[in-house]
Amino acid sequence: IAGITQAPTSQILAAGRRMTLRCTQDMRHNAMYWYRQDLGLGLRLIHYSNTAGTTGKGEVPDGYSVSRANTDDFPLTLASAVPSQTSVYFCASSQEWSSYNEQFFGPGTRLTVL
Amino acid sequence: AQSVTQPDIHITVSEGASLELRCNYSYGATPYLFWYVQSPGQGLQLLLKYFSGDTLVQGIKGFEAEFKRSQSSFNLRKPSVHWSDAAEYFCAVGLYGGSQGNLIFGKGTKLSVKP
Repeated sequence: IAGITQAPTSQILAAGRRMTLRCTQDMRHNAMYWYRQDLGLGLRLIHYSNTAGTTGKGEVPDGYSVSRANTDDFPLTLASAVPSQTSVYFCASSQEWSSYNEQFFGPGTRLTVL
Repeated sequence: AQSVTQPDIHITVSEGASLELRCNYSYGATPYLFWYVQSPGQGLQLLLKYFSGDTLVQGIKGFEAEFKRSQSSFNLRKPSVHWSDAAEYFCAVGLYGGSQGNLIFGKGTKLSVKP
Protein backbone atom coordinates (compact mmCIF):
# COMPACT_ATOMS: atom_id res chain seq x y z
CA ILE A 1 0.00 0.00 0.00
CA ALA A 2 1.65 3.21 -1.14
CA GLY A 3 -0.64 5.69 0.63
CA ILE A 4 0.05 9.03 -1.01
CA THR A 5 2.53 9.55 -3.78
CA GLN A 6 3.74 12.89 -5.06
CA ALA A 7 5.69 13.76 -8.18
CA PRO A 8 8.15 15.11 -8.87
CA THR A 9 10.30 14.77 -5.75
CA SER A 10 11.99 18.04 -6.56
CA GLN A 11 11.99 20.56 -9.36
CA ILE A 12 13.81 23.71 -10.37
CA LEU A 13 11.62 25.96 -12.44
CA ALA A 14 12.13 29.23 -14.28
CA ALA A 15 9.85 32.07 -13.28
CA GLY A 16 6.86 32.41 -15.56
CA ARG A 17 6.69 28.72 -16.39
CA ARG A 18 3.67 26.56 -15.77
CA MET A 19 4.05 23.61 -13.43
CA THR A 20 1.76 20.85 -12.21
CA LEU A 21 2.52 18.94 -9.04
CA ARG A 22 0.93 15.53 -8.99
CA CYS A 23 -0.66 13.77 -6.05
CA THR A 24 -2.27 10.35 -6.00
CA GLN A 25 -3.74 8.41 -3.09
CA ASP A 26 -4.82 4.78 -3.00
CA MET A 27 -6.81 4.86 0.24
CA ARG A 28 -10.11 5.93 -1.38
CA HIS A 29 -10.19 8.97 0.87
CA ASN A 30 -12.81 11.56 0.11
CA ALA A 31 -10.89 14.64 1.22
CA MET A 32 -7.56 15.87 -0.11
CA TYR A 33 -5.40 18.87 0.66
CA TRP A 34 -2.42 20.82 -0.59
CA TYR A 35 -0.12 22.56 1.88
CA ARG A 36 3.03 24.55 1.48
CA GLN A 37 5.74 24.46 4.14
CA ASP A 38 8.06 27.39 4.58
CA LEU A 39 10.73 27.86 7.21
CA GLY A 40 9.31 29.56 10.28
CA LEU A 41 5.78 29.54 8.93
CA GLY A 42 4.78 25.92 9.40
CA LEU A 43 2.21 24.42 7.06
CA ARG A 44 -0.33 26.59 5.31
CA LEU A 45 -3.31 25.24 3.41
CA ILE A 46 -3.43 26.19 -0.28
CA HIS A 47 -6.51 24.35 -1.56
CA TYR A 48 -8.62 21.44 -0.51
CA SER A 49 -11.19 19.09 -1.95
CA ASN A 50 -13.86 17.60 0.26
CA THR A 51 -14.97 15.13 -2.39
CA ALA A 52 -14.37 14.35 -6.04
CA GLY A 53 -15.62 17.20 -8.20
CA THR A 54 -15.50 19.81 -5.44
CA THR A 55 -12.62 22.07 -4.41
CA GLY A 56 -12.14 25.00 -2.08
CA LYS A 57 -9.64 27.69 -1.22
CA GLY A 58 -7.41 27.55 1.79
CA GLU A 59 -5.32 30.18 3.51
CA VAL A 60 -2.91 30.93 0.62
CA PRO A 61 -4.64 30.09 -2.69
CA ASP A 62 -3.36 32.91 -4.90
CA GLY A 63 -1.32 31.73 -7.87
CA TYR A 64 -2.46 28.12 -7.52
CA SER A 65 -5.29 26.08 -8.95
CA VAL A 66 -6.49 22.53 -8.35
CA SER A 67 -8.87 20.04 -9.86
CA ARG A 68 -10.41 16.83 -8.58
CA ALA A 69 -11.66 14.81 -11.51
CA ASN A 70 -11.67 11.55 -9.54
CA THR A 71 -11.17 10.28 -6.01
CA ASP A 72 -7.52 9.37 -6.33
CA ASP A 73 -5.85 12.35 -8.01
CA PHE A 74 -5.49 15.94 -6.86
CA PRO A 75 -3.03 17.92 -9.01
CA LEU A 76 -1.83 21.38 -8.05
CA THR A 77 -1.01 23.80 -10.86
CA LEU A 78 1.08 26.93 -10.80
CA ALA A 79 -0.03 28.80 -13.91
CA SER A 80 2.92 31.20 -13.97
CA ALA A 81 5.47 30.45 -11.28
CA VAL A 82 7.06 33.21 -9.21
CA PRO A 83 10.05 33.02 -6.84
CA SER A 84 7.80 33.41 -3.77
CA GLN A 85 6.32 30.02 -4.64
CA THR A 86 9.63 28.38 -3.80
CA SER A 87 8.62 25.99 -1.06
CA VAL A 88 8.05 22.38 -0.09
CA TYR A 89 4.59 21.22 -1.10
CA PHE A 90 2.73 18.48 0.72
CA CYS A 91 -0.35 16.67 -0.42
CA ALA A 92 -2.54 15.07 2.24
CA SER A 93 -5.77 13.13 2.43
CA SER A 94 -8.34 12.14 5.03
CA GLN A 95 -11.21 9.73 4.99
CA GLU A 96 -13.80 12.47 5.23
CA TRP A 97 -13.94 16.24 5.14
CA SER A 98 -14.00 16.66 8.88
CA SER A 99 -11.57 18.24 11.27
CA TYR A 100 -11.45 15.18 13.51
CA ASN A 101 -10.15 12.94 10.75
CA GLU A 102 -6.46 12.08 10.70
CA GLN A 103 -4.70 13.50 7.67
CA PHE A 104 -2.16 11.33 5.87
CA PHE A 105 0.70 13.11 4.18
CA GLY A 106 2.76 12.44 1.09
CA PRO A 107 6.55 12.76 1.05
CA GLY A 108 6.50 16.25 -0.44
CA THR A 109 7.76 18.06 -3.53
CA ARG A 110 10.58 20.56 -3.17
CA LEU A 111 10.05 23.33 -5.71
CA THR A 112 12.54 26.07 -6.48
CA VAL A 113 11.48 28.95 -8.72
CA LEU A 114 14.31 31.03 -10.11
CA ALA B 1 -9.22 34.18 14.73
CA GLN B 2 -8.19 30.70 15.63
CA SER B 3 -4.48 30.14 16.14
CA VAL B 4 -1.95 27.64 17.37
CA THR B 5 1.23 28.69 19.14
CA GLN B 6 4.32 26.59 19.66
CA PRO B 7 6.53 28.89 21.72
CA ASP B 8 9.76 26.95 21.24
CA ILE B 9 11.29 27.05 17.78
CA HIS B 10 14.17 24.73 18.62
CA ILE B 11 14.85 22.49 21.61
CA THR B 12 17.91 20.37 22.33
CA VAL B 13 17.79 17.55 24.86
CA SER B 14 20.19 14.82 25.82
CA GLU B 15 19.40 11.25 24.90
CA GLY B 16 17.57 9.63 27.79
CA ALA B 17 16.29 12.92 29.18
CA SER B 18 12.62 13.79 29.39
CA LEU B 19 10.93 16.01 26.87
CA GLU B 20 8.03 18.43 26.88
CA LEU B 21 6.95 20.40 23.83
CA ARG B 22 4.47 23.16 24.37
CA CYS B 23 1.35 23.96 22.39
CA ASN B 24 -1.29 26.58 23.08
CA TYR B 25 -4.35 27.31 21.02
CA SER B 26 -6.79 30.14 20.74
CA TYR B 27 -10.37 29.12 20.04
CA GLY B 28 -13.76 29.72 21.59
CA ALA B 29 -14.48 26.06 22.20
CA THR B 30 -12.46 22.91 22.68
CA PRO B 31 -11.08 21.95 19.30
CA TYR B 32 -9.82 18.62 18.13
CA LEU B 33 -6.11 18.46 18.93
CA PHE B 34 -3.30 16.69 17.14
CA TRP B 35 0.45 16.26 17.27
CA TYR B 36 2.33 15.35 14.11
CA VAL B 37 6.01 14.52 13.64
CA GLN B 38 8.10 15.21 10.58
CA SER B 39 11.40 13.40 10.20
CA PRO B 40 13.98 15.05 7.94
CA GLY B 41 12.97 14.88 4.30
CA GLN B 42 9.68 13.17 5.10
CA GLY B 43 6.01 13.99 5.26
CA LEU B 44 4.09 14.38 8.50
CA GLN B 45 2.98 11.42 10.60
CA LEU B 46 0.31 11.50 13.29
CA LEU B 47 1.63 10.91 16.82
CA LEU B 48 -1.62 11.25 18.76
CA LYS B 49 -4.92 13.07 18.91
CA TYR B 50 -7.46 14.28 21.46
CA PHE B 51 -11.16 14.66 20.89
CA SER B 52 -12.78 14.25 24.30
CA GLY B 53 -12.68 12.17 27.47
CA ASP B 54 -9.46 11.36 29.29
CA THR B 55 -7.24 14.42 29.06
CA LEU B 56 -4.04 12.34 28.95
CA VAL B 57 -3.69 10.61 25.62
CA GLN B 58 -1.13 8.06 24.55
CA GLY B 59 0.39 7.97 21.12
CA ILE B 60 2.91 6.10 19.08
CA LYS B 61 6.64 5.93 19.79
CA GLY B 62 6.13 6.37 23.54
CA PHE B 63 4.70 9.90 23.32
CA GLU B 64 1.82 11.24 25.37
CA ALA B 65 0.04 14.57 25.56
CA GLU B 66 -2.12 16.25 28.15
CA PHE B 67 -5.02 18.53 27.38
CA LYS B 68 -5.53 21.33 29.89
CA ARG B 69 -8.68 23.30 29.18
CA SER B 70 -7.90 26.02 31.72
CA GLN B 71 -4.60 26.75 29.99
CA SER B 72 -5.73 26.10 26.41
CA SER B 73 -2.74 23.83 26.13
CA PHE B 74 -1.93 20.44 24.67
CA ASN B 75 1.70 19.73 25.58
CA LEU B 76 3.55 16.73 24.21
CA ARG B 77 5.77 14.66 26.52
CA LYS B 78 8.12 11.73 26.43
CA PRO B 79 9.85 10.33 29.53
CA SER B 80 13.07 9.29 27.81
CA VAL B 81 14.14 10.66 24.45
CA HIS B 82 15.90 8.50 21.87
CA TRP B 83 18.22 9.79 19.17
CA SER B 84 15.66 8.73 16.57
CA ASP B 85 13.19 11.26 18.02
CA ALA B 86 15.15 14.10 16.43
CA ALA B 87 12.58 15.67 14.11
CA GLU B 88 10.20 18.57 13.82
CA TYR B 89 6.96 18.42 15.77
CA PHE B 90 3.76 20.17 14.82
CA CYS B 91 0.72 20.79 16.95
CA ALA B 92 -2.54 21.20 15.05
CA VAL B 93 -6.14 21.98 15.84
CA GLY B 94 -9.27 20.97 14.00
CA LEU B 95 -12.21 23.26 14.54
CA TYR B 96 -15.28 21.74 16.11
CA GLY B 97 -18.50 21.72 14.15
CA GLY B 98 -19.48 23.84 11.20
CA SER B 99 -18.11 23.04 7.78
CA GLN B 100 -14.45 23.15 8.65
CA GLY B 101 -12.47 20.14 7.55
CA ASN B 102 -8.98 21.50 7.55
CA LEU B 103 -6.45 21.71 10.34
CA ILE B 104 -4.60 24.76 11.61
CA PHE B 105 -0.95 24.00 12.25
CA GLY B 106 1.51 25.60 14.59
CA LYS B 107 4.85 26.70 13.19
CA GLY B 108 6.64 23.69 14.59
CA THR B 109 9.32 22.87 17.15
CA LYS B 110 12.54 21.34 15.94
CA LEU B 111 13.95 18.78 18.35
CA SER B 112 17.66 17.98 18.40
CA VAL B 113 18.98 15.10 20.51
CA LYS B 114 22.55 15.09 21.73
CA PRO B 115 24.37 11.91 22.71
